[in-house]
Amino acid sequence: DAGVIQSPRHEVTEMGQEVTLRCKPISGHDYLFWYRQTMMRGLELLIYFNNNVPIDDSGMPEDRFSAKMPNASFSTLKIQPSEPRDSAVYFCASSAQGRRGSANYGYTFGSGTRLTVV
Amino acid sequence: AQTVTQSQPEMSVQEAETVTLSCTYDTSESDYYLFWYKQPPSRQMILVIRQEAYKQQNATENRFSVNFQKAAKSFSLKISDSQLGDAAMYSCYQGGSEKLVFGKGTKLTVNP
Repeated sequence: DAGVIQSPRHEVTEMGQEVTLRCKPISGHDYLFWYRQTMMRGLELLIYFNNNVPIDDSGMPEDRFSAKMPNASFSTLKIQPSEPRDSAVYFCASSAQGRRGSANYGYTFGSGTRLTVV
Repeated sequence: AQTVTQSQPEMSVQEAETVTLSCTYDTSESDYYLFWYKQPPSRQMILVIRQEAYKQQNATENRFSVNFQKAAKSFSLKISDSQLGDAAMYSCYQGGSEKLVFGKGTKLTVNP
């Protein structure tokens, strides 16, 4: 398995532009998570899906952020319009449901997308 | 609410020496797991070690071991015979039913 695949690896965009980050989870994993990492706040959970259904989006900072998972092999995180404070590394991770829950087996992370909004 | 605290933002160790990174957590769940992840400069998040809370025996993985104190809600990581490749950000995580809760990380520097 190629692991969790994220694209692009780097994205530089101008303030006000729309940004779309993409993620392909590991085949067979039924949980998908989007995280944002900054020096100040560390890793923050934005949203997660179970079987393509959003379960908890309480971490999505504003209405400018939206995430979709149209099928089990693809998810997007969109920021529209983007702002300089959105600059961060965005990680996607997936996991498989275990006997006691998916988080018990840890996540497999993608390589992240470094977003810079100028 | 679940919280994870790593009180050491940065640490350093001499090559071949031993270093211990601390982590404390707070959860109301009775059944959970604990993890240490490593993030080298390449940015990739790598699972280092995993501990099942219902097991009393401390997990070990080659040069990496944990000291799990359930009553104290403490989960420290010991790295023995430190190598230059161990230099990274180390983050402690606690997971229950679905989500993992993260500490802010400890940046480890290994000096030659």
